[in-house]
Amino acid sequence: QSALTQPASMSGSPGQSITISCTGTSSDVGGYNYVSWYQQHPGKAPKLMIYEVSNRPSGVPDRFSGSKSGNTASLTISGLHAEDEADYYCSSYTPNTALDRVFGGGTKLTVL
Amino acid sequence: EVQLVESGGGLVQPGGSLRLSCEVSGFTLSSYWMSWVRQAPGKGLEWVANIKQDGSERYYVDSVKGRFTISRDNGKNSLYLQMNSLRAEDTAVYYCARDALVAGSDYWGQGTLVTVSS
Repeated sequence: QSALTQPASMSGSPGQSITISCTGTSSDVGGYNYVSWYQQHPGKAPKLMIYEVSNRPSGVPDRFSGSKSGNTASLTISGLHAEDEADYYCSSYTPNTALDRVFGGGTKLTVL
Repeated sequence: EVQLVESGGGLVQPGGSLRLSCEVSGFTLSSYWMSWVRQAPGKGLEWVANIKQDGSERYYVDSVKGRFTISRDNGKNSLYLQMNSLRAEDTAVYYCARDALVAGSDYWGQGTLVTVSS
C-alpha cells in the first residue's frame, strides 16, 4: 500500500493561515469522499480533526477546515495558534487493498 | 466518556510473540468496527488491522498477514492483537482505535510500546 503524499514539514506564524496538502490517486483520495485528518502532539495519541473530507467533530475549533480537489485533499488552519504545532496525518479510504485505508506520510507543522 | 486503554507491550526477542489488549469503556464495543494502528519510532502512522463488530471479518496490512491476529471479546469490552514471529521492524507504539467512520477512527487509546530486539 503506497502512502498518500504530504509535505514533510511546514511552518507559519501565529495568526497566519496554512494549508497542508494530501495527494493520492483516483483510487483513493480522488475517488471517494472519505478523507480524514489527524493531529498528533509529541508523545500523544492521534486526534481526529476532520472526517469525510470537510466535517469537523464536536470540539474541534472551526479554524480547522478540510476540502478536496481532484486527487488532492487539503487541511487548512485559519489563524494559527501556538498549540497547533503538531504532526498532521491524512488518511483515505481505498478499496484496492484488504485493509481499506491508507495514511499519508505526515506533516510536521511548526508555529514560529 | 469514551476510553480505550492498551496494555501488553514490552521487550521481546525477534521471532517471539506478544499479545496486546485494549480495554474500552464509555461505549458499546459490539456496535463498532475496531482497529489497531502502529507508529514506529520517529515514523508515521500505519493501519495494521481491523475487525468487524461480531468478529466475522478481519483485515490486515500485507506486512503482518499470517503473523498477527486481531480478535475481540465484546462481553469483556476488549480488543486484542496477537503478534507472532515478531521482527525488528514491528517495533512501534501500537494504538487501538474505534472505527466510527468509513475507513477512519474517532477515538484512540494512548498506545503501548512494543520493542523487538535481541
